[in-house]
Amino acid sequence: DQQVKQNSPSLSVQEGRISILNCDYTNSMFDYFLWYKKYPAEGPTFLISISSIKDKNEDGRFTVFLNKSAKHLSLHIVPSQPGDSAVYFCAASPSTSYGKLTFGQGTILTVHP
Amino acid sequence: DAGITQSPRHKVTETGTPVTLRCHQTENHRYMYWYRQDPGHGLRLIHYSYGVKDTDKGEVSDGYSVSRSKTEDFLLTLESATSSQTSVYFCAISDQANYGYTFGSGTRLTVV
Repeated sequence: DQQVKQNSPSLSVQEGRISILNCDYTNSMFDYFLWYKKYPAEGPTFLISISSIKDKNEDGRFTVFLNKSAKHLSLHIVPSQPGDSAVYFCAASPSTSYGKLTFGQGTILTVHP
Repeated sequence: DAGITQSPRHKVTETGTPVTLRCHQTENHRYMYWYRQDPGHGLRLIHYSYGVKDTDKGEVSDGYSVSRSKTEDFLLTLESATSSQTSVYFCAISDQANYGYTFGSGTRLTVV
């Protein structure tokens, strides 16, 4: 039972264009959402988060949007850069869970120069 | 660097042998977690700790045990390794729940 799903295993975009990574969840108890970025042979690194009281959070080139009614979140990267090429994981948690995260399967983003 | 180290980085072991992975932090963070990463599954929580000697099970805890006798160390033990436990194992730390973790660099474990 996959409670957090990233249905696109991979995404390819041109440098300078927008990258949109999508994530869906099924558990209504989730109220905190995060995105992580992972390079090969390294641990994931925290990118950006959003709580359910917001529908948008921005940090530089990265914006996360949350649609609670659709149980859907997305990460927008504008403009995309070759260094953004990595695996992106979305994760979700109920706020009362000692920080236990449920991760999606990941999306491989490739940004072409 | 980030104050979290995992050891060993790579290990090959035989089916049926015990294996212990170590996670060490220098950040004095309260929360520590063990995840495994497998293709098609993302990262799945094995066990976590919310303080010294305070641990609990995660989503995929069968076949694993943990111990945390001091703040800085969180040990993951496979009592009798099986081929299904071949995976990349990540430790993570956090100073407050519901905040971005810091992950270690991972341990690649192969059970043959």
